[in-house]
Amino acid sequence: GQSLEQPSEVTAVEGAIVQINCTYQTSGFYGLSWYQQHDGGAPTFLSYNALDGLEETGRFSSFLSRSDSYGYLLLQELQMKDSASYFCAVRPGMDSSYKLIFGSGTRLLVRP
Amino acid sequence: DVKVTQSSRYLVKRTGEKVFLECVQDMDHENMFWYRQDPGLGLRLIYFSYDVKMKEKGDIPEGYSVSREKKERFSLILESASTNQTSMYLCASSGTGGFGSRVENIQYFGAGTRLSVL
Repeated sequence: GQSLEQPSEVTAVEGAIVQINCTYQTSGFYGLSWYQQHDGGAPTFLSYNALDGLEETGRFSSFLSRSDSYGYLLLQELQMKDSASYFCAVRPGMDSSYKLIFGSGTRLLVRP
Repeated sequence: DVKVTQSSRYLVKRTGEKVFLECVQDMDHENMFWYRQDPGLGLRLIYFSYDVKMKEKGDIPEGYSVSREKKERFSLILESASTNQTSMYLCASSGTGGFGSRVENIQYFGAGTRLSVL
């Protein structure tokens, strides 16, 4: 089967750094994405990694290791507004499917 | 800005009713998707479409059908609503640029429709 694992909840303090991990088992692999979803809101795209290494976008960075089937989202200088759920998603490399497979989400709570 | 619009934020239906959820995108995207989201289960793909009149089953298509008569519109149909279809339904779209491309891997989501089947 195909699966993604990420922690269900993470708590951190405002101003701190937090890392949300994602491991995956899929039939082939094209890339790993991250989405943010605030309560009651729509998921919004944060980052995409197709190759090994670190991608930085402002306070957010995303890392991928294809050999380890592992990636993480790093959030720096945490702000209260970063409290949300974060989903990793994988594009499997099978046939001609356009679909993404999503993890169950990590709920991040940022405390003052 | 890409806009994906879902026709209703909240819907309440009775068991056995036929339910239509509508989704429209304004970015001329080829790919459109319907997900349901339940606590602890993440987003699960119901159906997707990569072109007008083309559709493919996702992971949980049972009890659902879809229609894509125009590029910008993708409809999800619950043929006979049941209580286990109470959920948040999310529509998304993406462009086309090759399977590993960034363009295809960015999905834009609508605000969602929270459906309650009583």
